[in-house]
Amino acid sequence: EDKVVQSPLSLVVHEGDTVTLNCSYEVTNFRSLLWYKQEKKAPTFLFMLTSSGIEKKSGRLSSILDKKELFSILNITATQTGDSAVYLCAVDSNYQLIWGAGTKLIIKP
Amino acid sequence: DAGVIQSPRHEVTEMGQEVTLRCKPISGHNSLFWYRQTMMRGLELLIYFNNNVPIDDSGMPEDRFSAKMPNASFSTLKIQPSEPRDSAVYFCASSSEGMRTGELFFGEGSRLTVL
Repeated sequence: EDKVVQSPLSLVVHEGDTVTLNCSYEVTNFRSLLWYKQEKKAPTFLFMLTSSGIEKKSGRLSSILDKKELFSILNITATQTGDSAVYLCAVDSNYQLIWGAGTKLIIKP
Repeated sequence: DAGVIQSPRHEVTEMGQEVTLRCKPISGHNSLFWYRQTMMRGLELLIYFNNNVPIDDSGMPEDRFSAKMPNASFSTLKIQPSEPRDSAVYFCASSSEGMRTGELFFGEGSRLTVL
């Protein structure tokens, strides 16, 4: 059965810290891995990763995929209170998105 | 661009009542998805439409749930009769890629509480 596991489930850090969120997967036919950020309402798209070792970057956020070890990490540097959210990882397997449970990140001022 | 528009934002109803949730996808997007999100089960895909045609409804929990997309700019998700275990946030999402995956644009959700 396809599965996506995110860790940690929750994380509390102070503003300015760097955080690393993890997403591991076991799926039958990997096509891509996606990261979304969910604040109080709708998930919003962050990155889509298809190739190993190629970092995607957007401001203070970056992500990389390891298709050999079957995981991805999402890094956030110099965290701000606005980064507080649930970060969702999803893997496209056979054109179906398998969602992780999310990591709840809280940034304390 | 107004984004994906859902209504109502909040719905509180009693067990046994019919509930209808509505969605207007982003203009030009040809794929539409209905998701349900709960603390226990996370995000679950209920049904996926492509070009107004239901492609995969394997996630629809049971016959009490039905979804329609009469045209490219409107979709409904209906629950009849509703039960307390249907309480969740229901998201509609659309995509321009004509596939099930890639970047999805989510609406703000309809929070349903069934008493």
